[in-house]
Amino acid sequence: RKEVEQDPGPFNVPEGATVAFNCTYSNSASQSFFWYRQDCRKEPKLLMSVYSSGNEDGRFTAQLNRASQYISLLIRDSKLSDSATYLCVVNQGGDSGGGADGLTFGKGTHLIIQP
Amino acid sequence: GAVVSQHPSWVICKSGTSVKIECRSLDFQATTMFWYRQFPKQSLMLMATSNEGSKATYEQGVEKDKFLINHASLTLSTLTVTSAHPEDSSFYICSATPDSGLTDTQYFGPGTRLTVL
Repeated sequence: RKEVEQDPGPFNVPEGATVAFNCTYSNSASQSFFWYRQDCRKEPKLLMSVYSSGNEDGRFTAQLNRASQYISLLIRDSKLSDSATYLCVVNQGGDSGGGADGLTFGKGTHLIIQP
Repeated sequence: GAVVSQHPSWVICKSGTSVKIECRSLDFQATTMFWYRQFPKQSLMLMATSNEGSKATYEQGVEKDKFLINHASLTLSTLTVTSAHPEDSSFYICSATPDSGLTDTQYFGPGTRLTVL
């Protein structure tokens, strides 16, 4: 079974702090990796793609470790508006032989930024 | 950015009725769209892959006769929950990947919250 595992939290973090969380995936053939953000009762929104070389977007940094099959997300100088559930998402790829593939979602990590 | 709409936003229906949910890509064409379902405190689960002009591909455990998918154009896919029952109550979300995109980024619709009484 191809799974994506995350610590569900919740992580309670004071405003301005730095917080990081990880995710592991079981399918070594996975091709694409993403972090999505989901607010309560809303659809997921793409936060950032995760590349092997690591990537940074403002206060957010994502890392991919293919050897250990984990993905990380670091949030610096956290804001109250960062409170949300962060979904680790993997595109397994390869099964259908081409074309777009459905995504496999982790259950999400719930982050609460406290004033 | 790419926008995906879904209608209705929410629906409450009686057990045994059928409910149709529409997913539209507003500013791009998508040969492939996806339907997901999310139960409370659970992750999104892929239900099926909708392919324009051909049959949908269903994930294991998802009944194709229960969840009818029609992808009639490059901008529209519909999901019909037939003879809905309370256990079908869930948050249904569609997504689409632009045909012209350089990446496989999926854009999600706002979701449809279905409650079956």
